[in-house]
This record gives sequence, C-alpha cells and structure tokens, in this order.
Amino acid sequence: ILNVEQSPQSLHVQEGDSTNFTCSFPSSNFYALHWYRWETAKSPEALFVMTLNGDEKKKGRISATLNTKEGYSYLYIKGSQPEDSATYLCASPLFSGGTSYGKLTFGQGTILTVHP
Amino acid sequence: DAGVTQSPTHLIKTRGQQVTLRCSPKSGHDTVSWYQQALGQGPQFIFQYYEEEERQRGNFPDRFSGHQFPNYSSELNVNALLLGDSALYLCASSDGTSGEQFFGPGTRLTVL
Repeated sequence: ILNVEQSPQSLHVQEGDSTNFTCSFPSSNFYALHWYRWETAKSPEALFVMTLNGDEKKKGRISATLNTKEGYSYLYIKGSQPEDSATYLCASPLFSGGTSYGKLTFGQGTILTVHP
Repeated sequence: DAGVTQSPTHLIKTRGQQVTLRCSPKSGHDTVSWYQQALGQGPQFIFQYYEEEERQRGNFPDRFSGHQFPNYSSELNVNALLLGDSALYLCASSDGTSGEQFFGPGTRLTVL
C-alpha cells in the first residue's frame, strides 16, 4: 500500500451499537498515525496520535489500536450515540523524511451516522 | 485560547480572479500548514510554513503561494482561479515538536 486508505466510506448504525473502522497505511518508514473526528461545520478535532506498534489509546467510549508491522489502525466506538455522528479521518506523515511535523497524508474518511 | 482561526468563512470568486485566505495559529504554535479538501476526498497538503519560510510543499501548482508573518499568522494566495479550485481550505498549526496539528474551521471557496 502506498497511500492512506480508510474503510468503509460510510457507516450507518443504531444508537447503542458498537462500531469500528479501519485505516491502512504504508508499513515501511512509519512515523505516526493521527485520528481526527470532524463534525459538520466545525474544525477537525484531534483524537489520537499513535506511534508505537501495539499502541492502544482510549478517550471515553472511543479507542484505537495500531499495528505498524502490517500497516493498519482500528478505531472503535462503544455504545454509539447520535453525537458521535461525524467524519473520522486518519492521517500519517508520509514522505516527510521521518519527521512528524511534515505534511500529513489523509485517508478519504469514514462518515459515521448514528440513528436514534 | 481561541484556537486556530481562519477568515473569511466563505468566499465566492470567478474564474481568473485571485484570492487570499488568512489563518491565525493557536497560541504558542509557530508552524502553519495549509490543506485543500475537495468534495468526497480527504484533505490534501498544499504547503507548510515555519520561520516565515516554506518548509514543505505538496503537489500544487505555482498558482498557490503563501506567506507567514512574524506573528506566525499565514496567508494562502491562489492566482488565476480555476473551477477546480473550489474546495474547503483548511489551516492547521503545530508547535513543531509534538507533531500534533490543530485545525481551523476552514474557508469554503467557490469559483464560478
């Protein structure tokens, strides 16, 4: 894989369901993986920055795991609520000479809709 | 702390015109990056400014230029606008150490 890719493109779940989606990235020259939540008409909000293989981070009902050897990260939402409806973006500083302050390459995002 | 702010919120221009978008970084941040988000795509990196110099650039033509001021605020200029330049333009700031970028709400540019 040469780019950052996300799946699925969109997801509709019922309130209370748990859900997860995937971010794939090049496993070579990995530096960091960022997850953002982007609600309509607002700024993208940083959720996690992950750097170590096997990393697992949690923020309330949202958690993420990282596998740098196979080049993927999962984002999990437990007990989805309507306010979780947003676009979830992942990004990695590819081709930045191994620096985290370089340009972020984003996936196309997963649009999550949680129905009451 | 106001976070990252951008102006204007929306802008409508016609083909061939020039546009300037503005960004004020989060307090304490010295690095500003610009991204273009077209419909249905993830944000695409345009360029990054640090110490008033362009540090990195993405695959955008020379019609896209920028500037960073001594107070770390930044401008994005686009000349000879094309219909395809219609997009949401996002600004992100960082402190150059943690790697975490904080985004503004964006400027929606429509080119007619």
